[in-house]
Amino acid sequence: ETGVTQTPRHLVMGMTNKKSLKCEQHLGHNAMYWYKQSAKKPLELMFVYSLEERVENNSVPSRFSPECPNSSHLFLHLHTLQPEDSALYLCASSQDRGSGNTIYFGEGSWLTVV
Amino acid sequence: TQLLEQSPQFLSIQEGENLTVYCNSSSVFSSLQWYRQEPGEGPVLLVTVVTGGEVKKLKRLTFQFGDARKDSSLHITAAQPGDTGLYLCAGVNNDMRFGAGTRLTVKP
Repeated sequence: ETGVTQTPRHLVMGMTNKKSLKCEQHLGHNAMYWYKQSAKKPLELMFVYSLEERVENNSVPSRFSPECPNSSHLFLHLHTLQPEDSALYLCASSQDRGSGNTIYFGEGSWLTVV
Repeated sequence: TQLLEQSPQFLSIQEGENLTVYCNSSSVFSSLQWYRQEPGEGPVLLVTVVTGGEVKKLKRLTFQFGDARKDSSLHITAAQPGDTGLYLCAGVNNDMRFGAGTRLTVKP
């Protein structure tokens, strides 16, 4: 138990569906992240939020839309995804953004797009 | 782009053997972290190395940060089946960039 909880753990969706991934951290951290993990590829940083403000968006397609309503919750809204978007989506948090901060990961949400 | 190359990509060994995995980059990092990820779980931090040339030991695991702070190695002595997992290195500057990992299998 890392203090970062992700739901759902598994999601299968069609290409025309709209779904959302949810992340909640119980650590009092100020920074939250979404990462994508695909087979044989490095973890890809998608979005960074610091104090509920998006500070980084690494050229992620607009079919992925993040939302951070408060410092404890982070969502990833999914719309008209492609099969190549199937992957493990990891949420993480750290006390603050930047070096010297330990990042704590959730267990991930396995997404399959059919 | 701060690419981190990890090698080998896959490693399968017998219980009791020693092994070393590597993490290399052309970029300098303020620190480097190693994570282990077990199936169905997120990565869990093992260690952070900060100083060039630093060596840290965690029971049977020895981590070394290169003098130039561009590369690192992880050595496991007398591997056990419980060491099985995906080992990820991450270079840290303002944010973290990960390698693709080394998938280790230790057979009993």
